[in-house]
Amino acid sequence: AQSVTQLDSQVPVFEEAPVELRCNYSSSVSVYLFWYVQYPNQGLQLLLKYLSGSTLVESINGFEAEFNKSQTSFHLRKPSVHISDTAEYFCAVTLVNAGNMLTFGGGTRLMVKP
Amino acid sequence: DGGITQSPKYLFRKEGQNVTLSCEQNLNHDAMYWYRQDPGQGLRLIYYSQIVNDFQKGDIAEGYSVSREKKESFPLTVTSAQKNPTAFYLCASSTGWGGGQETQYFGPGTRLLVL
Repeated sequence: AQSVTQLDSQVPVFEEAPVELRCNYSSSVSVYLFWYVQYPNQGLQLLLKYLSGSTLVESINGFEAEFNKSQTSFHLRKPSVHISDTAEYFCAVTLVNAGNMLTFGGGTRLMVKP
Repeated sequence: DGGITQSPKYLFRKEGQNVTLSCEQNLNHDAMYWYRQDPGQGLRLIYYSQIVNDFQKGDIAEGYSVSREKKESFPLTVTSAQKNPTAFYLCASSTGWGGGQETQYFGPGTRLLVL
């Protein structure tokens, strides 16, 4: 069975500093990888996803994630965070050609301080 | 506007009571999902439906039931058999079931509390 581990439950960072949210997965078959963001008391929104091709994927609001197959990782980065980035971030996977069931990590709460 | 609506926003359940959470989508999506969110545990899949009139159990289906009589609706009933129902419940949908690459779109959630 597949699993997703987000190594940090909380990441405090000052505004305009860089940040990395770590995600590692375990699976015996190929996976697709997703990052979702959840603002307080709201549903989840897709931030970015890796399906194939370039291992570096970017979102429209400055986040990027890099798929590293050898390290089974999909870390999320942003070079300069804003107060508005304060939210919970979830890494998730689906199995290639095996349906659309997402397996989520436990989430990382990003807290951006002024 | 296209999207997913969930109601109510907050729901209170008494001991021994069944409660139903509503999920409606106007995105014309075939697949729909129910997740349970507990602090520090991420989201766990309760039930999913690939197409109308069909649904399958997810990882934590015990104590829950669903129906999918209409494409746009996927209500979740939390039965009295669910002994720890306090959680945030999220409904999602995707265009299809397919190969795993479809984006899931989430509703705003319902918070269920036990009195």
